Amino acid sequence: DTAVSQTPKYLVTQMGNDKSIKCEQNLGHDTMYWYKQDSKKFLKIMFSYNNKELIINETVPNRFSPKSPDKAHLNLHINSLELGDSAVYFCASSPGTGRGGYGYTFGSGTRLTVV
Amino acid sequence: DAKTTQPPSMDCAEGRAANLPCNHSTISGNEYVYWYRQIHSQGPQYIIHGLKNNETNEMASLIITEDRKSSTLILPHATLRDTAVYYCIVLQMFSGGYNKLIFGAGTRLAVHP
Repeated sequence: DTAVSQTPKYLVTQMGNDKSIKCEQNLGHDTMYWYKQDSKKFLKIMFSYNNKELIINETVPNRFSPKSPDKAHLNLHINSLELGDSAVYFCASSPGTGRGGYGYTFGSGTRLTVV
Repeated sequence: DAKTTQPPSMDCAEGRAANLPCNHSTISGNEYVYWYRQIHSQGPQYIIHGLKNNETNEMASLIITEDRKSSTLILPHATLRDTAVYYCIVLQMFSGGYNKLIFGAGTRLAVHP
């Protein structure tokens, strides 16, 4: 079983559309994250939820709305897609609190292309 | 912002040890150093982490200087499959006891035959 799974793997859509990316983890972790990796390959944290509660919101446009129905799922909905939203989006999970531990487990990414 | 600096790229011959340096001069006494790698466009993969002592696992060794201002990741026998971007990260804490992993630019390691 894949620890952190994202769907879809690839997403091509037109400007102005609304799309969602889904993420599920089966590690029993309390915290989940969304990261964005743009064409320059920088990985930037976007959001984090701990047990369904938003704990990190890194100045992301409000067209991006994360939703966590339970602690095993964190979905990302994007409204009115723009060309600049094209990127690879990674979901991750971690135990959440504490200073050590095994860190984050990442999904394999969703490549979003806006045309 | 990332609290680490790494060389942008390094080369290593297959079968030799790859030593990847990292500076984290502003690290606090209770902050951990983590290493991840990203192979091509896959999700980042955890390698190893440490606080003060040197650490070793099946993938790599982590050497942290006594003043904790720098560290070195050692891949003892690099293979072609170790070609990746390697990220050295200081795990940052914030209110509520939560943490966040802030990625820098990393080191692009190329292992060649």
